[in-house]
Amino acid sequence: AQTVTQSQPEMSVQEAETVTLSCTYDTSESDYYLFWYKQPPSRQMILVIRQEAYKQQNATENRFSVNFQKAAKSFSLKISDSQLGDAAMYFCAYRSPRAAGNKLTFGGGTRVLVKP
Amino acid sequence: DSGVTQTPKHLITATGQRVTLRCSPRSGDLSVYWYQQSLDQGLQFLIQYYNGEERAKGNILERFSAQQFPDLHSELNLSSLELGDSALYFCASSSGLQGGRYGYTFGSGTRLTVV
Repeated sequence: AQTVTQSQPEMSVQEAETVTLSCTYDTSESDYYLFWYKQPPSRQMILVIRQEAYKQQNATENRFSVNFQKAAKSFSLKISDSQLGDAAMYFCAYRSPRAAGNKLTFGGGTRVLVKP
Repeated sequence: DSGVTQTPKHLITATGQRVTLRCSPRSGDLSVYWYQQSLDQGLQFLIQYYNGEERAKGNILERFSAQQFPDLHSELNLSSLELGDSALYFCASSSGLQGGRYGYTFGSGTRLTVV
């Protein structure tokens, strides 16, 4: 079974600075999808960025970018120019296109604190 | 507004009771997923429905059941409630069954408190 591990329970960053969140996963598959979700205090789960394993190019969405290292099974999220609104829980998630149910497997989450 | 509607937003009930959580997926989405988010166990997949049929089960207790209706809305029924069932229950939807490169769209969740 696939597992997703986020080793940092909490990260703190100064406004306008950069923070990197770690995520590792365990899988024997070669084709899969990876996601980062943000959960602000409103509790809404918001998709931040996604990566397809067959693509070597790292995904980027505005101030959010990932460092996808397939061989190392690592998928880190970099938040640049951090803003107060980035304060939230961030969850890394894995999905196999072949798994029954197409379910997402989530990591335990990393809380990001942004200091003004 | 994500387009996925969950009701109610909050629910407080006593142990032993039964509750029903409701989810309306985003327009055009055929798949509905239920997740439980508790403090000590993170986000756990419960069950998925696709176009009215159950497609996958996760760590769903026998006291819990779900269904998806012809209009594609889904209901999660929780019975014989225990204190440990207190959690945030999310519904999510997606357009397809397989091969989705895209993440789900989540609702805002139902906060269940069992007292």
